[in-house]
Amino acid sequence: GDSVTQMEGPVTLSEEAFLTINCTYTATGYPSLFWYVQYPGEGLQLLLKATKADDKGSNKGFEATYRKETTSFHLEKGSVQVSDSAVYFCALSDRGTGNQFYFGTGTSLTVIP
Amino acid sequence: NAGVTQTPKFQVLKTGQSMTLQCAQDMNHEYMSWYRQDPGMGLRLIHYSVGAGITDQGEVPNGYNVSRSTTEDFPLRLLSAAPSQTSVYFCASSHRGRGGFRHTGELFFGEGSRLTVL
Repeated sequence: GDSVTQMEGPVTLSEEAFLTINCTYTATGYPSLFWYVQYPGEGLQLLLKATKADDKGSNKGFEATYRKETTSFHLEKGSVQVSDSAVYFCALSDRGTGNQFYFGTGTSLTVIP
Repeated sequence: NAGVTQTPKFQVLKTGQSMTLQCAQDMNHEYMSWYRQDPGMGLRLIHYSVGAGITDQGEVPNGYNVSRSTTEDFPLRLLSAAPSQTSVYFCASSHRGRGGFRHTGELFFGEGSRLTVL
């Protein structure tokens, strides 16, 4: 079945450091891929998405590229800020299962000044 | 700018008690769903609905009931709470997708309801 595996946390970085959170997926069909972010005390919100191979999603300085050959969708940011501290979830939505979402376990990021 | 509103935010129950988690959205979304979030397991789909009067089971439906009498509301009922239902519950909504798909791919989440069953 479909699944998402993402990097274990927690991750602690200094401000302005480079961020990578790894995400790989397994899907039987042609999934769309997403990164959701959950700030403390809030619900999840969409950060970025990519709907087909080689697409790059980007938002708020974050980027992720849909790599079909490596079944990956790693999240990157060149210079993190304290305000980026949150939990990040990788997810896929597979048309073969009627667009059901499959979420990873989440990676907690803390950025220290 | 209400979006998706969940109540209550916190609840403590004793084993065997019943309760309802409320979810309301004001975006005229056809698709609504309930997830539970447990440590080390990510979010798992409990039930979903693609419109008023239509509901279906997700990945972990046992112990939960839902109904969808209006477009705006999608309550989740625990009929006889068990400690295994201790979790954080999220309601999420979206417009229906094209081509018969359940949703567009962008889910809007509520702030969550933390439930503890003793």
